[in-house]
Amino acid sequence: GQQLNQSPQSMFIQEGEDVSMNCTSSSIFNTWLWYKQDPGEGPVLLIALYKAGELTSNGRLTAQFGITRKDSFLNISASIPSDVGIYFCAGQSEIQGAQKLVFGQGTRLTINP
Amino acid sequence: DAGVIQSPRHEVTEMGQEVTLRCKPISGHNSLFWYRQTMMRGLELLIYFNNNVPIDDSGMPEDRFSAKMPNASFSTLKIQPSEPRDSAVYFCASSPRQGWVKNIQYFGAGTRLSVL
Repeated sequence: GQQLNQSPQSMFIQEGEDVSMNCTSSSIFNTWLWYKQDPGEGPVLLIALYKAGELTSNGRLTAQFGITRKDSFLNISASIPSDVGIYFCAGQSEIQGAQKLVFGQGTRLTINP
Repeated sequence: DAGVIQSPRHEVTEMGQEVTLRCKPISGHNSLFWYRQTMMRGLELLIYFNNNVPIDDSGMPEDRFSAKMPNASFSTLKIQPSEPRDSAVYFCASSPRQGWVKNIQYFGAGTRLSVL
């Protein structure tokens, strides 16, 4: 089946540092998504990417949809304490009229003040 | 908008008992998804519905699991009988329109299930 490899699995950084994480897949997706999950909550969408090569920003977050459609990265600049959480990439493809998601294993971000 | 609403938030039960998890999708959304999250396997899709009809249940682990969507505003995931290995966080998600490339899934807060 489809699988996403997300790295790194965890990151321990100082407040103010930049963060970079990425996902690769053996399959092509028509959409890449990045979600963040806080403790005790469900994943919340951060950025959606719809076209190969697309580079999109949302505040301090920047994400790119790889040109091969099999990878994506997420960068966070100037990290702050509220960035702590688990970040998931997800590849989206259409199956029988519904957009089906495959998730990466997640990157757990810890920030030292 | 109230978002996707799941209940209960926490459920503790004994092995062999029946468990029912509930989900109210965002009003107007056509697709509904049930996921399970564990440390070992991450987020896994169990089943999804389009317009109240189950489309793909290949992720449902075994016959002990069943899901229904009797109307556009309500879905249940039932485990009978429950086992300790079913302990996980179960998420429901909904999306606004089927077959549209910018269709985004919105997640509920989840139900944390512990089977003793």
